Amino acid sequence: DQQVKQNSPSLSVQEGRISILNCDYTNSMFDYFLWYKKYPAEGPTFLISISSIKDKNEDGRFTVFLNKSAKHLSLHIVPSQPGDSAVYFCAASVYSNYQLIWGAGTKLIIKP
Amino acid sequence: DVKVTQSSRYLVKRTGEKVFLECVQDMDHENMFWYRQDPGLGLRLIYFSYDVKMKEKGDIPEGYSVSREKKERFSLILESASTNQTSMYLCASSSGGRTQYFGPGTRLLVL
Repeated sequence: DQQVKQNSPSLSVQEGRISILNCDYTNSMFDYFLWYKKYPAEGPTFLISISSIKDKNEDGRFTVFLNKSAKHLSLHIVPSQPGDSAVYFCAASVYSNYQLIWGAGTKLIIKP
Repeated sequence: DVKVTQSSRYLVKRTGEKVFLECVQDMDHENMFWYRQDPGLGLRLIYFSYDVKMKEKGDIPEGYSVSREKKERFSLILESASTNQTSMYLCASSSGGRTQYFGPGTRLLVL
């Protein structure tokens, strides 16, 4: 049973435009969400996170939005750059639990 | 900066061999994790450890064991490698927060 779902295996966006990556979850106990970026043959790197007490968190070109009623979060990248081409993973966790529950990832391709 | 290192970037082993993957972190983190990543399946947790000599099974522990004799070091052992263990293996560590920091990964090919 997949508790965290990234339904788009891949996404292609023009350079300079907005990239929107989506993530849905089923467990209402999740209270913290993270986005990671992964290049081929490298480990994932942490991008941005959001607590369930917020509905938005920004860090430079990256913004994460959380809609708790819909159990949905999204990552917005504005403007998209060629170096943003990577696989993006969404992850979630429950308070006091060390583990992260991961989505399957979305491959983002930025076209020049 | 958190630094997590893994002993090998690429490894080729034969079926039936015993394989050791080592991970070292330099930030005094209590928690350490071993994942495998396969296309379309995301990251799947094999084992994790929240203290020295402590270990907990993750979602897919079969065919694997772990060892944590020192706080900074977490080893993954494939007792008898099989072709279905060909994968990318990722080690991560974390402290009190939920953010995990990853090593560069080991791409293992079992022939």
